[in-house]
Amino acid sequence: GENVEQHPSTLSVQEGDSAVIKCTYSDSASNYFPWYKQELGKGPQLIIDIRSNVGEKKDQRIAVTLNKTAKHFSLHITETQPEDSAVYFCAAMGGNYQLIWGAGTKLIIKP
Amino acid sequence: NAGVTQTPKFQVLKTGQSMTLQCAQDMNHEYMSWYRQDPGMGLRLIHYSVGAGITDQGEVPNGYNVSRSTTEDFPLRLLSAAPSQTSVYFCASRTSGGRYEQYFGPGTRLTVT
Repeated sequence: GENVEQHPSTLSVQEGDSAVIKCTYSDSASNYFPWYKQELGKGPQLIIDIRSNVGEKKDQRIAVTLNKTAKHFSLHITETQPEDSAVYFCAAMGGNYQLIWGAGTKLIIKP
Repeated sequence: NAGVTQTPKFQVLKTGQSMTLQCAQDMNHEYMSWYRQDPGMGLRLIHYSVGAGITDQGEVPNGYNVSRSTTEDFPLRLLSAAPSQTSVYFCASRTSGGRYEQYFGPGTRLTVT
């Protein structure tokens, strides 16, 4: 079955710098890759997603890139702000329409 | 529009007790699911439902039961609680069409002693 690995587990960056979180997946049939943000005490919330027929997608300061050949995808956050501090999860959807989740990355924005 | 609601927010059980975690959504979503979240392990799917009267097992179904009698409600039952079920439980819903965005509830933190 699908397996998703996410790195790093913790990422600390200076406010205003960029942050990059990477995920790899194992099932070449996976075709949908979302990123969720989870703030303390809340449920995860979708921030951006990408499908397998697209290589990159941007939404303001957030972008996701997908390399199908290497089976990895990344979240890029530019000009980080204090409100970006949270736990970020990647996931991959296989042919059974179920999401397999990465273990999460705690992003800390230092003032 | 309340979205996805879960009750209770916190619960402490003794080993062997049973209980039901409640989940409701008011978005008319066909698909609903239950996850558990443990430190360092991300989210793992327990059970899911693609519509009223239809449920199926996810990745970690043992020790849990679900039913879906209405589109709105999807309760999760712990049959005989064990310390290994100490976790944070999230309910989520989405449409069954081409959009895969899941909407999560606020979670239930369960401790089994």
